[in-house]
Amino acid sequence: DAGVIQSPRHEVTEMGQEVTLRCKPISGHNSLFWYRQTMMRGLELLIYFNNNVPIDDSGMPEDRFSAKMPNASFSTLKIQPSEPRDSAVYFCASSLASGGRLSYEQYFGPGTRLTVT
Amino acid sequence: AQSVTQLGSHVSVSEGALVLLRCNYSSSVPPYLFWYVQYPNQGLQLLLKYTTGATLVKGINGFEAEFKKSETSFHLTKPSAHMSDAAEYFCAGGSARQLTFGSGTQLTVLP
Repeated sequence: DAGVIQSPRHEVTEMGQEVTLRCKPISGHNSLFWYRQTMMRGLELLIYFNNNVPIDDSGMPEDRFSAKMPNASFSTLKIQPSEPRDSAVYFCASSLASGGRLSYEQYFGPGTRLTVT
Repeated sequence: AQSVTQLGSHVSVSEGALVLLRCNYSSSVPPYLFWYVQYPNQGLQLLLKYTTGATLVKGINGFEAEFKKSETSFHLTKPSAHMSDAAEYFCAGGSARQLTFGSGTQLTVLP
């Protein structure tokens, strides 16, 4: 299996621009997670989906952030407009979880390093 | 609410020495507990997990952790450190509907 695939691996953009991060989960997994990692705040869960349905988006920092999962093999995290404080590494993870529970092993992608200038 | 505390943001050990990374959790219900490792410029990789059953859990790369309910701890150990163990380690814990990661411990292995 190719594992969780994220694109792009690096993104540099200017403040105010729209940014779209992409994730392809492991085939057969039914839960997908978006995380943000910064030095100041560590690893934060932004949102997670179970069977393509958002279960908990309480970690999404504000309305500028949105996530979609149109099908079982693709998800996007969009930031519009982007700000310098959004600079971070964004990870996507997937798992095969019964009932959308978080108690199952998550497989992480390599991350997207976002820099907003 | 579930919280996970990792004691020591940086730990240094000599090659061949014991590795001990500390993790404490707070929970009013039996938790699920995990240790993940992150190598530079990579995503997190699961080392081991505790859900139910045996309290001593063995993982990959010679690591193990023991769930101690009385101490609310889930410390990670390895008898003999190897240079390749240098990485950041994250403890995570939660229930079926909530998962929290600790702030991470950077492990340095000295030759």
